[in-house]
Amino acid sequence: QKEVEQDPGPLSVPEGAIVSLNCTYSNSAFQYFMWYRQYSRKGPELLMYTYSSGNKEDGRFTAQVDKSSKYISLFIRDSQPSDSATYLCAMSSYSGNTPLVFGKGTRLSVIA
Amino acid sequence: DAGVTQSPTHLIKTRGQQVTLRCSPKSGHDTVSWYQQALGQGPQFIFQYYEEEERQRGNFPDRFSGHQFPNYSSELNVNALLLGDSALYLCASSTTGGRSNEKLFFGSGTQLSVL
Repeated sequence: QKEVEQDPGPLSVPEGAIVSLNCTYSNSAFQYFMWYRQYSRKGPELLMYTYSSGNKEDGRFTAQVDKSSKYISLFIRDSQPSDSATYLCAMSSYSGNTPLVFGKGTRLSVIA
Repeated sequence: DAGVTQSPTHLIKTRGQQVTLRCSPKSGHDTVSWYQQALGQGPQFIFQYYEEEERQRGNFPDRFSGHQFPNYSSELNVNALLLGDSALYLCASSTTGGRSNEKLFFGSGTQLSVL
């Protein structure tokens, strides 16, 4: 079993839809959870950074962490064609310079 | 601020050759990490450099080596290239200290193709 599992998709939604992206993990030592967006031929860009369980909202994006279920989610409201990208979840045990463990990424297309 | 810059952007090599990839960190950053991203996969940690020393290493063979210079820039070297080394190589920079991962910035990567 991989440490972090993420459905690679692809996921295609109409403009304005609510998008739900998810990851599960097996390592209970993970405490810091991140979502990155990666456009084609670009490096990952940090979208959301959360610690432990709970919700965090930033504009149209909401990150949820359920440590008891080892499950994290990213919700995108009012999705736009510019949100079309690959979304990667990442996790680490500490907040300092510890290696990130990434999921495979979910490829999202938002159709106008 | 130019962010994290990597060179070259694309590279084609043949099996058995050696390659060097370069990275300049974001201004003010002193720690450089390298990741390998195979097609359709998430990035995998190779190693991290701080104060010109390798501080942490992922599950990669000794064919992968690196260096950090006094100006914090870094190189990734891969010897005896295999077809399976074909991937996007990402450099990420950060500062030391708590919550460093929140301030991790990635470059656009070097796309390496091994034929």
